[in-house]
Parts: sequence; C-alpha cells; structure tokens
Amino acid sequence: SQQGEEDPQALSIQEGENATMNCSYKTSINNLQWYRQNSGRGLVHLILIRSNEREKHSGRLRVTLDTSKKSSSLLITASRAADTASYFCATDAISGGGADGLTFGKGTHLIIQP
Amino acid sequence: GAVVSQHPSRVICKSGTSVKIECRSLDFQATTMFWYRQFPKQSLMLMATSNEGSKATYEQGVEKDKFLINHASLTLSTLTVTSAHPEDSSFYICSATQGGRQPQHFGDGTRLSIL
Repeated sequence: SQQGEEDPQALSIQEGENATMNCSYKTSINNLQWYRQNSGRGLVHLILIRSNEREKHSGRLRVTLDTSKKSSSLLITASRAADTASYFCATDAISGGGADGLTFGKGTHLIIQP
Repeated sequence: GAVVSQHPSRVICKSGTSVKIECRSLDFQATTMFWYRQFPKQSLMLMATSNEGSKATYEQGVEKDKFLINHASLTLSTLTVTSAHPEDSSFYICSATQGGRQPQHFGDGTRLSIL
C-alpha cells in the first residue's frame, strides 16, 4: 500500500500558538483519521472525517478534508506542552465492507516549547 | 471504552528465539484485529489483518511463515515472530475495531529487540 506524505516532518512552536499539519494521500478513501503517538507508545485516535465531509471539529482540534486535492489538515489551537507528540494521518481505502487496515502518513513530530 | 491491551511491552531475546505477542480487546469483541510494524522514526506499516476463526491476510512482502498470526477468540489475537533475527527488531503494534467499523483502537505496542 502507498503511504501518504505529511508536512512538516517536524514543527516546533511556543505554547499557546496554533499548530497546523498537512497530509496528502494517493488513493480514493472511505475515511481519513488523525492519530497521536507519544514517544514509544501506541496510537491515540483523535478524529475521523468521512470522505463526504469537508471539516470537523473536536475540542481544540479542527480537521479539513479536500478529496479533490487528496489532502487534509489538522489544526491544534492554543497548543499546550502536553500536545508534544507525533501526529499521523491514516486512510482506509474504499472496499466492499468491514474495516480495513490503515495506510499511514509519515507523521509530523510536534514540539511545544513551554 | 474500546481498550486494547498488548503484552509484553518489551522483549529482549537472542537470535533464533520465537517470540509471541498478545493483543486483547478488553471491553469489546473484535472480529478483526490488525498488526503493524514501526521502525525508529518511521511510520506504521500494516503487516496483516487478523480475522477471528479464519486465516490472517498478509500484506505484500510480509512472510506468513515468519509472522504467525492466530485469532482464536473474539478478544485475542497473537503474533508470533518465529526464529527472530536482529532485522526483526522493531516496534509491533496491534489494533482492533468495534463492530467492524473505524476508528481503530491501538494497543501500547511491543518493543522487540533481537540480539
């Protein structure tokens, strides 16, 4: 399966600022998801956006999806030190039914400076 | 809800050893579980899809005789790395879905180090 691309690969900002990460993918999708991974740990699901949705919010998170450009963005507002982590987008391809394995982007490592 | 437990969290063993990793869904039934591998500073790569009561589906390039998957119950899938070698050293992560729908819920991963 092909992996998506994410940019930037690394992002360092001051606490309180907003952080924006972008993701591109290559195939038609059912959903696009964003996950967070703290160092050496498993993944935590943040938000899922369906292919027929264009924008979704959850707390301080805002996700957009542009299927014509095969891209998505994740905005974290009012960042906190605890937001320091790696962030991955992941897509599942259109299939006949049931959940499919995910294709992950390369990830953005976010560092929030206190 | 939707908690996935993975055990062990860390394994260090000699080359040639077989290592078993367990993935359990604690508060839901998972007919499908997934196994991923992650090398340092890289993304996750899907290795295989584990289906309860049937054979696993492996991604291209993943050796099914090397990575044995058993999904004998609705709450447990195991990955056995047979005759492990240093190149098998990696971070292995499992996930499960509720009702066969996204999102996936991930375990905390297993750090495998082969000496």
